[in-house]
This record gives sequence, structure tokens and C-alpha cells, in this order.
Amino acid sequence: RKEVEQDPGPFNVPEGATVAFNCTYSNSASQSFFWYRQDCRKEPKLLMSVYSSGNEDGRFTAQLNRASQYISLLIRDSKLSDSATYLCVVKGAGNNRKLIWGLGTSLAVNP
Amino acid sequence: DVKVTQSSRYLVKRTGEKVFLECVQDMDHENMFWYRQDPGLGLRLIYFSYDVKMKEKGDIPEGYSVSREKKERFSLILESASTNQTSMYLCASNTGIVTEAFFGQGTRLTVV
Repeated sequence: RKEVEQDPGPFNVPEGATVAFNCTYSNSASQSFFWYRQDCRKEPKLLMSVYSSGNEDGRFTAQLNRASQYISLLIRDSKLSDSATYLCVVKGAGNNRKLIWGLGTSLAVNP
Repeated sequence: DVKVTQSSRYLVKRTGEKVFLECVQDMDHENMFWYRQDPGLGLRLIYFSYDVKMKEKGDIPEGYSVSREKKERFSLILESASTNQTSMYLCASNTGIVTEAFFGQGTRLTVV
């Protein structure tokens, strides 16, 4: 089993749709979780950190379910500019400084 | 703003050449990372460093070495480039244990 797994998609949605991505992780001791966004031929950039209590940033909501070992990202009212690959990232347990990256989920928002 | 700068956006090298990829960050980050990214394989960690002159192997270190003589600079070296090292190489840095990683713009290396 991969350490971090994501559905690769692609997800094709119309503008204005709500879309959700899930990501599962294998190490129950993992401590920190992130969603990154990567545009085509560009570097990844942090979209949001994922906190135990869940967090929201505008149209984006991230949730963490420790019992089931998954994190989710919800995008409401999708925009064309949301088209990108969304990467789930999990930091190793304890003092491990390595970040473990999912393969990414591709989203295409269509007019 | 944090800036992570990679020396080249595009590089074409010949098989067997020694290749240096340079990465510089300007935010005094102690952690620096080298990844390669290939379609279908995602981001794979080659080496990382959490202090000057310190280095640790990542998941795919074979065929690569690194150098960190100064805190702000982390170099990736391909001792003898091979065609299977054609890839996008991404450098990243962060500080502490639980912070955002900032990436350089990437170097697309082609080995012919």
C-alpha cells in the first residue's frame, strides 16, 4: 500500500460545481497534512494546511479524519482558474522532516 | 516573500556528462530538498539536508550526490548523466519540522 494515495482523476466539472477530493495515508502516527496545488509545468504551491478541527479558506474546505486516515478537500463554486493538479502531502511522524507526496488529482473546470 | 531559485529552467546534457543543478534560498531555511517529478510517478525525494554539510538519502538517491557547503545553497550532482535521468528537478526549502515547503521553478533536464 502506498503511503499516500489519491484518485488521479481527471475530474472534469462545469464552472460553479462543487468537487471533492479524498486522500488516504497509511501511517497512523502522521502529524501534519497539507494540500498543494500545481499548475501545468509549474512548481507546487501550498494551498492550505489541514487541521484536526477542519479549516476553510474562502471556497476551499479541508477536513481530516484521523480514525479513517484520510483527508479531504472540497472546492465550492469552481472557477476555470481552479484547473490544476491537487497534491496531498503528509509529514512523517515525530521529528521526521520528510514530506510524503501523493501523486495528485487532476481537476479540469470547464466553461 | 520566500524565494527559491534554481540556476536553470531548461538544460540539455549528453550521456556521461557531469551535471550540476544549483538551488539557492533566501530565507535562512535549514531544510532543503531535491525532488524529481515524472508523469505517473509524482514527486520523488532524491536527497535532503537539514543543516550545512549534512545530507540524507531520500527514496531514489542512486546516480546522484549533493553538496551543502553554505546554508542557502544546495546542489544536486549527476555524476554521469544517463537518459533515465531526464526529468523535471525541483528544489524546495522549509524551516523547522512542520512548515510549508517552498519550491523553486524547476529545472527540466534532458539527457541525450
